[in-house]
Formats: sequence, C-alpha cells, structure tokens
Amino acid sequence: NAGVTQTPKFRVLKTGQSMTLLCAQDMNHEYMYWYRQDPGMGLRLIHYSVGEGTTAKGEVPDGYNVSRLKKQNFLLGLESAAPSQTSVYFCASLAGNLATDTQYFGPGTRLTVL
Amino acid sequence: GQNIDQPTEMTATEGAIVQINCTYQTSGFNGLFWYQQHAGEAPTFLSYNVLDGLEEKGRFSSFLSRSKGYSYLLLKELQMKDSASYLCAVVDSNYQLIWGAGTKLIIKP
Repeated sequence: NAGVTQTPKFRVLKTGQSMTLLCAQDMNHEYMYWYRQDPGMGLRLIHYSVGEGTTAKGEVPDGYNVSRLKKQNFLLGLESAAPSQTSVYFCASLAGNLATDTQYFGPGTRLTVL
Repeated sequence: GQNIDQPTEMTATEGAIVQINCTYQTSGFNGLFWYQQHAGEAPTFLSYNVLDGLEEKGRFSSFLSRSKGYSYLLLKELQMKDSASYLCAVVDSNYQLIWGAGTKLIIKP
C-alpha cells in the first residue's frame, strides 16, 4: 500500500515549457486535490476532483489544467510555465468528506521555473 | 475574506511545553485540523476538532473555541523530533480547507 505518490520529485523548467505532474493513490479515495506551497504562505488549492471524470477550480487555478480520467490518478498540467509557478506542489486524497476524514498527502514535487 | 492567523515562528526547550495558537475568520465552520510538516516533507495529520473543548492524544492536545474563532495545539514533553512546522486549517461552509501559513517550531536542547 503505497498511499499517495507523486512523479516527478524534482523538476527544472524554462519559461514557456510545459509539463505534467502525476499523482496516484491506491486507497480508492474519491476526492483528490492539488496544492501549491510557497514560503510564508499556507497551502493554496489549485484544482480538485470529487470523483473520476470530474474536476473543479480551487483558489489559484490560473495557468494550470487538470484531468481525472482514472479514479486513482490526478494529473496537473502546466501549459506554459512561468517563474511565478516555482513552488512545491502537493497532491492529496480523501476518502469521504472533510467532516469525517483526513487528507493524505503525497511527498511533493519541487518545481523551479527559470 | 477568509483568514487564518498563526505565529510565524516559536522556540522552545526540549522537555518543556509549548502552545501554538490559531485564530480564524472563515465563511462558516465545519471543523479545524492541525497538521505537522517536517522540512522538505508532506504534511501529516495530528488532530481534528469540530466541537468546543480539548482533545488529548498522547503528548499532543488540541483545543477549540468556536465562539472565539480560536484553537491551540499543546505539545508536552517536547522532543527534538518535534521541530517542524505546524499547520492550522479550517473547513469552511463549502467543505473546503482554508490553510494558515504555519508555525515553525524550533526545539533547543
């Protein structure tokens, strides 16, 4: 039982390049989330999904796209990376709702955009 | 707007007790979480409060006062491994998590 895994762990991009971050969970959780974490700021929600085939915008969705084609996977795409997207990205999953369950986080992806 | 306030940094001595405060102003309230995050790692769950009062779990306790928009995390018998950031997060009326910036706790021998 691996829990929540993220690929890659580190990445350096040049401005304008694109990339996809992969999040996978083996706990059969319905909800999945993408956050970014910047120094001195709380975790900020980028996009989330309440089930296979569904996605929704969070607090800071601009510049990112997501897809949830399979229940266990949640992909985060950057079409044209900008230096402002330099951050640590965390994926999380949740079995039910936040009133009864806790989020489980992946190890994070450190992204630098030059 | 929605806001969660925590001290940026605290220092305590090994073996002592420390209280980390969190105040919040959110659109609705459906519970408050505390997470621990060691440097370079993912946040891990510590506690969840939805009713007023104190929840004790080993060396860690968490308190909630909904009328005051206030919570604290109490860490007893501090150990060096408790050096980490402690994140407060509130579930709002839309069942979204609003996160504080975290409190970096430094433990000195």
